[in-house]
Amino acid sequence: GESVGLHLPTLSVQEGDNSIINCAYSNSASDYFIWYKQESGKGPQFIIDIRSNMDKRQGQRVTVLLNKTVKHLSLQIAATQPGDSAVYFCAENSGSGAGSYQLTFGKGTKLSVIP
Amino acid sequence: NAGVTQTPKFQVLKTGQSMTLQCAQDMNHNSMYWYRQDPGMGLRLIYYSASEGTTDKGEVPNGYNVSRLNKREFSLRLESAAPSQTSVYFCASTGSSSYNSPLHFGNGTRLTVT
Repeated sequence: GESVGLHLPTLSVQEGDNSIINCAYSNSASDYFIWYKQESGKGPQFIIDIRSNMDKRQGQRVTVLLNKTVKHLSLQIAATQPGDSAVYFCAENSGSGAGSYQLTFGKGTKLSVIP
Repeated sequence: NAGVTQTPKFQVLKTGQSMTLQCAQDMNHNSMYWYRQDPGMGLRLIYYSASEGTTDKGEVPNGYNVSRLNKREFSLRLESAAPSQTSVYFCASTGSSSYNSPLHFGNGTRLTVT
């Protein structure tokens, strides 16, 4: 079946370095992707999204790259800070047809920032 | 502006007991969702409501019922709780299910069934 997965379950990064979190998706029909950050004891928090007609989108300190050829999504965090420590999820819209919108979530990557 | 508010934050039930998880959003969103999060399983969709007056099953609806009380509120009911329903439950909302927009999540209800 279709699934969203992550290459690395854990990632440790030195404070100030850049972080790259990867995600593989298998539904070639997915047209919308989101990255979420989840801190301990809290709900997922929206970081950045990208539609399938784009291959790159930038936010504040974050960049999402989409490679549809290999069905790969990545989140880059510049100058990683201790406050970036969290679990990061990618999600894809696996719904089909107008009015159908269902996100399928990956299992998450835990980012640990070393001071 | 509180966003998505869930109550209670924690709950312990005995097998067979019932309870209702409450969710309210103040963003005037049309669509609301209930997910459960289990270790190693990611977030899985239980039920959703694309608009006021409609509800639909998600990936794991068995053992649950929902009510879209009005545009703001979407509740999840466990009629007869089972240990397999021990999980963290998240409510989420978005402006519309007709176009791509991110879900906004509450901070969850942590449920333990003994």
